[in-house]
Amino acid sequence: DAGVTQSPTHLIKTRGQQVTLRCSPKSGHDTVSWYQQALGQGPQFIFQYYEEEERQRGNFPDRFSGHQFPNYSSELNVNALLLGDSALYLCASSLELAYEQFFGPGTRLTVL
Amino acid sequence: DQQVKQNSPSLSVQEGRISILNCDYTNSMFDYFLWYKKYPAEGPTFLISISSIKDKNEDGRFTVFLNKSAKHLSLHIVPSQPGDSAVYFCAASDLGNNNDMRFGAGTRLTVKP
Repeated sequence: DAGVTQSPTHLIKTRGQQVTLRCSPKSGHDTVSWYQQALGQGPQFIFQYYEEEERQRGNFPDRFSGHQFPNYSSELNVNALLLGDSALYLCASSLELAYEQFFGPGTRLTVL
Repeated sequence: DQQVKQNSPSLSVQEGRISILNCDYTNSMFDYFLWYKKYPAEGPTFLISISSIKDKNEDGRFTVFLNKSAKHLSLHIVPSQPGDSAVYFCAASDLGNNNDMRFGAGTRLTVKP
């Protein structure tokens, strides 16, 4: 039973560029949440997708957008990258209304 | 807004002794609390949780205590093992808004053999 997978593992971009991160949820899960974890901080909630719609959003600008596909996989897109977007981006999956989320290993994004 | 706080960035204990990790929260709407463990290069792994209707939940060597009046919870690990060395995150959410889980900054636990 595959857990949550994310790609790529590492990514280096320059300011102003755009990036797309990908996530496949744990088998049987239908809800995907995205988090940003800056160095020395805990994960911060970006948004959550369920039934291909954004259901809840944290305090992140519109430069951060996402998508969920019919197979429940998800993408996180960040436009006009800033140096401050450098972080570990974590994807978590769960069943709807379940509190326990299962995390992927993350994508380390570095913006130069 | 730091609604979940873990004030100790690090903790070091001897193998076999008790590890106590603390967490404070400010939002009284939180009614479900979780602890996650994170090893380097891996995502956080769910460890144990507690609902606000309880004040204690136990799972093997791990026990979580909740003091709602003080808005404080703690994770006890007894006995501590070197394999427990990791970063521990406290997280909280509320019933009507479980989509938005708030995390503390984490506590790095080191268990010395």
